Amino acid sequence: GAGVSQSPSNKVTEKGKDVELRCDPISGHTALYWYRQSLGQGLEFLIYFQGNSAPDKSGLPSDRFSAERTGGSVSTLTIQRTQQEDSAVYLCASIWAGGLLTDTQYFGPGTRLTVL
Amino acid sequence: AQSVTQLDSQVPVFEEAPVELRCNYSSSVSVYLFWYVQYPNQGLQLLLKYLSGSTLVKGINGFEAEFNKSQTSFHLRKPSVHISDTAEYFCAVSSPGGNKLVFGAGTILRVKS
Repeated sequence: GAGVSQSPSNKVTEKGKDVELRCDPISGHTALYWYRQSLGQGLEFLIYFQGNSAPDKSGLPSDRFSAERTGGSVSTLTIQRTQQEDSAVYLCASIWAGGLLTDTQYFGPGTRLTVL
Repeated sequence: AQSVTQLDSQVPVFEEAPVELRCNYSSSVSVYLFWYVQYPNQGLQLLLKYLSGSTLVKGINGFEAEFNKSQTSFHLRKPSVHISDTAEYFCAVSSPGGNKLVFGAGTILRVKS
C-alpha cells in the first residue's frame, strides 16, 4: 500500500480481555516502531523491530504487552488482561534504509483502544 | 536520558498572524530534532527535521525551525498561519545512532478566523 495501515481503527474492550492490534508497514521498510499516545500526553515509545535483530522492548510498560513481527513485515501488538489505563491511541511507524533515524518515520493512523 | 518539553499545551492565534511553538530538549549527547504535525483524525506527518549543518531548517507548509544549541531549543515558526494549520504539533528528539524518538507532550495550534 501507499502508507502504513493499522487495524482496527477503533477497539472497545472490557477490562481483563486480551486485544491484538495490527500494523502493516510500508513495503520494503526495514524498521517498525510501536508508540502509545495517551490523552494529553506525548507519544510514548513501546517497541522497535529492525530487520532480523532482536527487538528493543525497553518501552513496553508491563509484561502484559508483547509484540511480534512476522516475515519482517506485518506486526501485531498484543495486550493481555487489559486495564483501563491501557486506553490510548496505539501508533505504528516504519522506516526504510536500515532504520537509521535520518530517514523519516512514516506513521499509521493509529488504533484507538478503549478499555471499559 | 533525553527529554522534550513543549512549553505551551495550546496556542490560539488568528488567521494570517505569525506563530511560534516552543520546544526545549535535554540531552547529554548530540541530537537530531524533529517536528511532526497531527491533523484531526490523521496520523503524524513529518514537518521538518534537523540533523546537522544549517541551524535554520525549512519544512513543508511554510514552517521553519531554528536549532539553538546554547539554549537547547528548537522552536517552530510560521510567519502567517491559515485555518488549515489547526492541528497538534509534536517536537521530538533522538541521538545519532539511536533507534527511537522521544516526543514532547504536543501543542495544539488553533487558528481562528
